[in-house]
Amino acid sequence: SQQGEEDPQALSIQEGENATMNCSYKTSINNLQWYRQNSGRGLVHLILIRSNEREKHSGRLRVTLDTSKKSSSLLITASRAADTASYFCATEGSWGKLQFGAGTQVVVTP
Amino acid sequence: DTGVSQNPRHKITKRGQNVTFRCDPISEHNRLYWYRQTLGQGPEFLTYFQNEAQLEKSRLLSDRFSAERPKGSFSTLEIQRTEQGDSAMYLCASSLGGFTGELFFGEGSRLTVL
Repeated sequence: SQQGEEDPQALSIQEGENATMNCSYKTSINNLQWYRQNSGRGLVHLILIRSNEREKHSGRLRVTLDTSKKSSSLLITASRAADTASYFCATEGSWGKLQFGAGTQVVVTP
Repeated sequence: DTGVSQNPRHKITKRGQNVTFRCDPISEHNRLYWYRQTLGQGPEFLTYFQNEAQLEKSRLLSDRFSAERPKGSFSTLEIQRTEQGDSAMYLCASSLGGFTGELFFGEGSRLTVL
């Protein structure tokens, strides 16, 4: 079973636009992470936000976490064609086990 | 290459055969994870190790699946008597462990069961 659910399932935008995707989860967490996956490849870690943090930035990425609503959002600003990928949230609960959502497929067209 | 290495990258087998995948984690990482991913879905947790100890195994895994991590280094995932439903990408990841860890993923081993 998967802990998180991403929304939307798919997102199509043009270069330069912002992309926002959301993640909801069910149980308490230690931290929440976002990963990117290019087609047919392994996942790459993007950013980690701890349960006591509300917002975090890394380059063009901005992540928020609302533990009261059990939700997180990932914003990619000024998107590029190279941002085309699937994006997954993953929650870390007990013992460091990460559980992933089904992902948001993002397509950025030039 | 100091990343996570998985072999083979692709495996085609006939139903009923056994297959084994190998994962070499980043050398200083003591946690090692196995996930399975099917098309259009997120990675599904299978099992993970802290050094050589297997800490948890998904209840979704049948007894046909077994994983080992002898001496806390590389790990193997064996699937016995493969079924067509086992066709998937098998992903290995490693981390430093604890509650701070980002996972470093390999490129995966794609299994096709005919």
